[in-house]
Amino acid sequence: AQSVAQPEDQVNVAEGNPLTVKCTYSVSGNPYLFWYVQYPNRGLQFLLKYITGDNLVKGSYGFEAEFNKSQTSFHLKKPSALVSDSALYFCAVRPDTGRRALTFGSGTRLQVQP
Amino acid sequence: NAGVTQTPKFQVLKTGQSMTLQCAQDMNHEYMSWYRQDPGMGLRLIHYSVGAGITDQGEVPNGYNVSRSTTEDFPLRLLSAAPSQTSVYFCASRQVAGDTQYFGPGTRLTVL
Repeated sequence: AQSVAQPEDQVNVAEGNPLTVKCTYSVSGNPYLFWYVQYPNRGLQFLLKYITGDNLVKGSYGFEAEFNKSQTSFHLKKPSALVSDSALYFCAVRPDTGRRALTFGSGTRLQVQP
Repeated sequence: NAGVTQTPKFQVLKTGQSMTLQCAQDMNHEYMSWYRQDPGMGLRLIHYSVGAGITDQGEVPNGYNVSRSTTEDFPLRLLSAAPSQTSVYFCASRQVAGDTQYFGPGTRLTVL
């Protein structure tokens, strides 16, 4: 069975500082990894994905994530946080075989203080 | 191109009532799925479909039915609503062999 762990319920960071939101995963075979963001009373918006290739992937709004196969991690990062980045962030995984469903972590609330 | 649409946006039911949550996509995606979102639990998969006429259960299927008569539509039926089904429901779609999954705006359901 596949699973995702987001160990932090909430991350607090000051505006302008770098941020990291942690994610570790478990899956059979090669992983497809995703980050989604959810703003209040909205659906999930796709941020970025790792499918294959370069371990550092860049996504929307200046976010990036690093795939680490040995540590089974896919941490989300941004060099300089904005107050507008405050939202709920979800990590998700599925194997690279097409029919499998996406499994989500429990989410991490990012709070960026001015 | 509207993407994934869901109706209604909000619904209040009494225990025992039935209803159908609608989901449609216009991207010709074979794969569609329903999730529920509860605080502190992320999104949990209810049912999914890999094409018209094919459905399967997810992690939390009890109390819900689905059908897939067309590629575009994937309705979720609550047979006899219970307070434990109070949640926010999201529909999503993607190509079967594709990577990125697209989500609808959600339906907030309250069962009294």
